[in-house]
Amino acid sequence: KNEVEQSPQNLTAQEGEFITINCSYSVGISALHWLQQHPGGGIVSLFMLSSGKKKHGRLIATINIQEKHSSLHITASHPRDSAVYICAVRSTTSGTYKYIFGTGTRLKVLA
Amino acid sequence: ETGVTQSPTHLIKTRGQQVTLRCSSQSGHNTVSWYQQALGQGPQFIFQYYREEENGRGNFPPRFSGLQFPNYSSELNVNALELDDSALYLCASSLERQGNEQFFGPGTRLTVL
Repeated sequence: KNEVEQSPQNLTAQEGEFITINCSYSVGISALHWLQQHPGGGIVSLFMLSSGKKKHGRLIATINIQEKHSSLHITASHPRDSAVYICAVRSTTSGTYKYIFGTGTRLKVLA
Repeated sequence: ETGVTQSPTHLIKTRGQQVTLRCSSQSGHNTVSWYQQALGQGPQFIFQYYREEENGRGNFPPRFSGLQFPNYSSELNVNALELDDSALYLCASSLERQGNEQFFGPGTRLTVL
């Protein structure tokens, strides 16, 4: 079992829909990142959070430390949101701040 | 403020060869982490360098090695290339060993034939 699990693996939505991507993890963490990766590889950091909720434009990220779960929400989705969304946790194992990544959720938003 | 840059963008090698990938960290950042991302997978942590010293390593064999220079730029070296080394190699820089938010480079896509 992976230490960071994302669901769903693939998601197709119509423009304007509300989207939720989930991330569950099984290790101790000091922070969780949501990342966006477009075709070609470049990764952009969307959020880094260790508690509560953050909002940036149409994106909202929440984390529940007790339940070891985080969600990324996209409101009023748009075709330009099509990308792979990756959850990454900053593990505190062995004193090394190691990042563990989920396998990503591939989102396609149709016009 | 200059972002994280990587070179080359693409590279093709054959089995058994050696490769060096380069990363320039974002201005002011002293920590560089390297990741391998196989097709369809999430990135896997290779190692991290903080102030020119290795600060942690993932499950990669010794033929994966690295360096960090006084200006905090970094190199990833892979010896005796294998077909399974074909992947996107990402570097990310951050400030301080504790790993404040990481900023990723565009990656180097390595193909081993």
